[in-house]
Amino acid sequence: EAGVTQFPSHSVIEKGQTVTLRCDPISGHDNLYWYRRVMGKEIKFLLHFVKESKQDESGMPNNRFLAERTGGTYSTLKVQPAELEDSGVYFCASSQDRRRTNGELFFGEGSRLTVL
Amino acid sequence: AQTVTQSQPEMSVQEAETVTLSCTYDTSESDYYLFWYKQPPSRQMILVIRQEAYKQQNATENRFSVNFQKAAKSFSLKISDSQLGDAAMYFCVLYNFNKFYFGSGTKLNVKP
Repeated sequence: EAGVTQFPSHSVIEKGQTVTLRCDPISGHDNLYWYRRVMGKEIKFLLHFVKESKQDESGMPNNRFLAERTGGTYSTLKVQPAELEDSGVYFCASSQDRRRTNGELFFGEGSRLTVL
Repeated sequence: AQTVTQSQPEMSVQEAETVTLSCTYDTSESDYYLFWYKQPPSRQMILVIRQEAYKQQNATENRFSVNFQKAAKSFSLKISDSQLGDAAMYFCVLYNFNKFYFGSGTKLNVKP
């Protein structure tokens, strides 16, 4: 079974440019999460999808960030325009339906974003 | 507010020895999960061990065990007989059935 995959693994862009990160969760996982780790600090929650719906987007820092989850499958996170403080590692994770889950999250390898 | 604190940014251990990583947390919930996740260099995070808050018995997974002190809100990870492959970032995670809360991580170095 394929795990959570993220693309690209590393992106280097200039301030003001746009970047789109993609996450493919494990097939059948309704829950999809985006997290960000900035400069070695703690991992911060960005948002949570249940299927195609945004369950919780309270962690999205501002309206330069836009997340979508097409048809409840893969998800994209777009940053437009990117700022220096957006640099960090963006993690995607997925999990099964909460009624069946024991809480385990399955993570992708992360997308490292560097904004120059 | 839910918080997770890992006070050791980096630790080192000699191969075959034992190391303990500290974690404290704060939550107003009575039922929750606690996890330790491990992220090897350039690899994805994987689950090391899980503890349900309602269980008094400390979880154990082979060389990995936890010391769960619910009243003290402490959740430390003990790694016995450390191996080179244990070198990684370790994250303590609190799950309150709504959100996951991560600590800042502890980088573990294993010396041969």
